[in-house]
Amino acid sequence: ETGVTQTPRHLVMGMTNKKSLKCEQHLGHNAMYWYKQSAKKPLELMFVYNFKEQTENNSVPSRFSPECPNSSHLFLHLHTLQPEDSALYLCASSQGEDQRLSYEQYFGPGTRLTVT
Amino acid sequence: TQLLEQSPQFLSIQEGENLTVYCNSSSVFSSLQWYRQEPGEGPVLLVTVVTGGEVKKLKRLTFQFGDARKDSSLHITAAQPGDTGLYLCAGPFPSKETSGSRLTFGEGTQLTVNP
Repeated sequence: ETGVTQTPRHLVMGMTNKKSLKCEQHLGHNAMYWYKQSAKKPLELMFVYNFKEQTENNSVPSRFSPECPNSSHLFLHLHTLQPEDSALYLCASSQGEDQRLSYEQYFGPGTRLTVT
Repeated sequence: TQLLEQSPQFLSIQEGENLTVYCNSSSVFSSLQWYRQEPGEGPVLLVTVVTGGEVKKLKRLTFQFGDARKDSSLHITAAQPGDTGLYLCAGPFPSKETSGSRLTFGEGTQLTVNP
């Protein structure tokens, strides 16, 4: 058990749909992250939130829109996605204050997204 | 260009064998983490190494950080089927250490331990 939950676990959506991914952490952490994991590619950092403020947007297309209403919850809103966006989307959290601890990230189980 | 290179990419062994996987870089890292990811799950943090030359043990797993802090290795003794998974190394993005939270990941080593 990692203390980070994600819903849904699986999602199939058409290119014109709008959907949202949800992440919740129960670890008392202050930083939360969205990653994309595609086959045969390393984990790609998408967004970083530290104390609810977005501190990193790793050149992610605007069809992905993050939202962090508080330090425990993180959303990824999806609209007009492309088939190449199909991947495992992982949420993670870490301590925000201590630099060393912020590198120890705790991941959720991921949402397997298929865009048809 | 991949900052962290992991080798081998794939490894299939029999139960009871020993193995070593590697994580290499041309850059110096203040720390490196090792994660294991099982199918359908997110990565799980195994260990963080911080000091050059540091060795950490986690049951049958031995992690070593290179003296120059540019590489790390993971050695598994008497592998078991439960060790099967994707082993990932990760480290703080060297050019942005002051940002505190950005990690770069290797592509991973997919380990299969056959009964």
